Amino acid sequence: QKEVEQDPGPLSVPEGAIVSLNCTYSNSAFQYFMWYRQYSRKGPELLMYTYSSGNKEDGRFTAQVDKSSKYISLFIRDSQPSDSATYLCAAYTSYGGATNKLIFGTGTLLAVQP
Amino acid sequence: SAVISQKPSRDICQRGTSLTIQCQVDSQVTMMFWYRQQPGQSLTLIATANQGSEATYESGFVIDKFPISRPNLTFSTLTVSNMSPEDSSIYLCSVAGPAGYTFGSGTRLTVV
Repeated sequence: QKEVEQDPGPLSVPEGAIVSLNCTYSNSAFQYFMWYRQYSRKGPELLMYTYSSGNKEDGRFTAQVDKSSKYISLFIRDSQPSDSATYLCAAYTSYGGATNKLIFGTGTLLAVQP
Repeated sequence: SAVISQKPSRDICQRGTSLTIQCQVDSQVTMMFWYRQQPGQSLTLIATANQGSEATYESGFVIDKFPISRPNLTFSTLTVSNMSPEDSSIYLCSVAGPAGYTFGSGTRLTVV
């Protein structure tokens, strides 16, 4: 079982739709959770960074973490064609060593249709 | 967030040769990380590079194949040695900051 699981998609939505992207994880020691956006032929760009459970909002993006169910989500409101990219979830813990190894999901390919 | 400059951005190399990838950060950082992203796959950590010590390699990655240098707190290199077509990937460096991990733009390597 992978430590972070993510549906690879692809996910296609019309412009203006609310997008829900989800990941599950198995390591209960994970404390920090991130969402990255990666455009084709580019490096990952950090979108959201959260610690422990709860919600965090930044503009059209909302990240949710539910540690009780080991579930993390990213919501995109009023989606735009420019949001078309691969979205990667990631997690790590600061316990158990100095490397703070970041574990990634496989990424979900999102296409927002104009 | 730190700004990372990575080069080359892409290269096409002959099998059996080596390529050194450079990563420059605009601020001093303790740890730098090197990742590989194979076609259609997610990111896999190759190694963690601390200044002044040997890099720590993840399972499946060895120093002879991926030697790393970390001469100071703002710079690191990753060498992909004795390349084969299976090494064709995107290689990325990353640093940790107060708001998460930042990545360089990556080096797209094609081995022919």
